[in-house]
Amino acid sequence: RKEVEQDPGPFNVPEGATVAFNCTYSNSASQSFFWYRQDCRKEPKLLMSVYSSGNEDGRFTAQLNRASQYISLLIRDSKLSDSATYLCVVFFSGGYNKLIFGAGTRLAVHP
Amino acid sequence: EPEVTQTPSHQVTQMGQEVILRCVPISNHLYFYWYRQILGQKVEFLVSFYNNEISEKSEIFDDQFSVERPDGSNFTLKIRSTKLEDSAMYFCASSDTGGEPNTGELFFGEGSRLTVL
Repeated sequence: RKEVEQDPGPFNVPEGATVAFNCTYSNSASQSFFWYRQDCRKEPKLLMSVYSSGNEDGRFTAQLNRASQYISLLIRDSKLSDSATYLCVVFFSGGYNKLIFGAGTRLAVHP
Repeated sequence: EPEVTQTPSHQVTQMGQEVILRCVPISNHLYFYWYRQILGQKVEFLVSFYNNEISEKSEIFDDQFSVERPDGSNFTLKIRSTKLEDSAMYFCASSDTGGEPNTGELFFGEGSRLTVL
């Protein structure tokens, strides 16, 4: 099983759509989870952390299911500017901030 | 706003040559990292560095690679004898926290694109 696995997409959606991304991770001892965003040929940037109780930041909602080792990101009311690759990132135990990145899910929002 | 800066932005080199990629992390950060991303592939962990020593490294980070922080501000990645498969974008990152749990916010530089011919 890959350390962090994501559906690569691409997800092509119209403006205003709701889209959900999923991610699974292999290390059951992992404690910290994140979504990063990467624009084409740019560096990754933190979008949001993922908390056990689920958390929301504006149009973005992140959920964590520890039993299933599953993380999700929901984007509501998609904007053109949301077009990017969304990276599921997991902190693996035993390392100093050894963040392991998923391969990313590409989102393309069209008018 | 403080940022991580990397130089060069793009380097082209011949196979077998040595390359040094430079990074200036955010000044009050204590943890430093190198990641790489081969075109079209995922971001891969190379090495983390804390208190002037490597704290963790991946399988990719073999004897051809080394890191150092020579002067308290720069953080460098050296590849001794480059191979074709070393062609990638190399990202430097820094953070002010370590261990777990953590905020997960690594601040990345814009990357150094290495092309090995």
